[in-house]
Parts: sequence; structure tokens; C-alpha cells
Amino acid sequence: NAGVTQTPKFQVLKTGQSMTLQCAQDMNHEYMSWYRQDPGMGLRLIHYSVGAGITDQGEVPNGYNVSRSTTEDFPLRLLSAAPSQTSVYFCASTPGQHTGELFFGEGSRLTVL
Amino acid sequence: KQEVTQIPAALSVPEGENLVLNCSFTDSAIYNLQWFRQDPGKGLTSLLLIQSSQREQTSGRLNASLDKSSGRSTLYIAASQPGDSATYLCAVKNFGNEKLTFGTGTRLTIIP
Repeated sequence: NAGVTQTPKFQVLKTGQSMTLQCAQDMNHEYMSWYRQDPGMGLRLIHYSVGAGITDQGEVPNGYNVSRSTTEDFPLRLLSAAPSQTSVYFCASTPGQHTGELFFGEGSRLTVL
Repeated sequence: KQEVTQIPAALSVPEGENLVLNCSFTDSAIYNLQWFRQDPGKGLTSLLLIQSSQREQTSGRLNASLDKSSGRSTLYIAASQPGDSATYLCAVKNFGNEKLTFGTGTRLTIIP
């Protein structure tokens, strides 16, 4: 049972490039979310999904897109990378929207030059 | 707006001691509170989840308490071990809000 898997673990981009961070979970969880973690700021919610075909914005959604075509996958797309998007990105899932316990992937460290 | 504070930011204690980590929050209308552990370069691992109707949760050497009226939670670690060294974060979920509000964590070092 792999849990929540994120790829890539590390990525360096130039300003203006686009890329997709992949997230997959094998626990049949309905709720998935993306957070970013920055020093001194805690984790902040970017986008979330309560089920396949349903996505919504979190606290800091600008510059990011998501889609949820299957229960298992929840990719995060950076449309035109900016240095302010340098961060560590975490994908998380939980069985239901309010079920509570959140399971995290190991993170994707992104540097935008 | 919910704000979550964890003080101190860093803590070092000798192996074998019992210790308490603190988490405070400003809005008591919470759905639940969760404690996580994060090792360097790794993701977050859920340790304990306390629903708003509960006062405490226990798992092994860990005990988390919740006092909504005072806006506080504590994580008690008994008989600390070097393997407990990590950053501990608390996070709060409010009613009607999708996101968890995280504290910035306490970096714990257990000295052998």
C-alpha cells in the first residue's frame, strides 16, 4: 500500500516555464488537496477536491490549476512559473471531506530561477 | 481568521524526559485538531486527531489534549527517545472552512 505518491521529488524551473506536479493515492480517498510549505509561514492550502470531477480553490490558488479526472490522481499545474512559487509542495488525502485524518505525500521541492 | 501558534519554535531535552509541546488557536469554533510529525525532507505523518467533542487522544507514548474554551492543545510525549527528534506541527480545522490552519511547528531535539 503506497499511500500518497508525489512526483517529481525535486524540480528546477526557469521563470515562465510550466510544469505539472503529480499526485496519486491508492487508498480510494474522496478528498485530496495541495498545500505549499514556506519557511515561517506554515502550510497553506492551494486547491482541493472533494471527489472526481470536482475541484475548488484554497487559500493561495493564483498561478496554479488542478483537475480531478479520477479518484486516484490530482495533478497540480504551474502555468507560468515565478520565483515566488519556489516552495515545497505537499499533496494530501483523506477518506471524506470532514473525516479528518490527513495523509501526506513526501513532498515535491520546486525551485524557480 | 484562525491563527495557530506553537511556542517554542525549538526545544532540546535529554533522552528519557517527559515533555509537553504547546499549540494555541484564536478561534474556538473548531471541527477538529490534528498533531503531525515532520522529519527533515519528508512529508507530514499524522500522530493524533482530536474531534471537537473530545478532550484527549492517546497513542502509545503520545497524549494530546484539547481545551477549546482556552484555545489550547498540548502534545505530551512520555519517556522521550532520540527517534522522537522531528518537527511537530498542529493544525486546526474550523467549521465551514475547507483548509487546515497550521502552526509553524516546534523543532524537537532529543539529546542521547
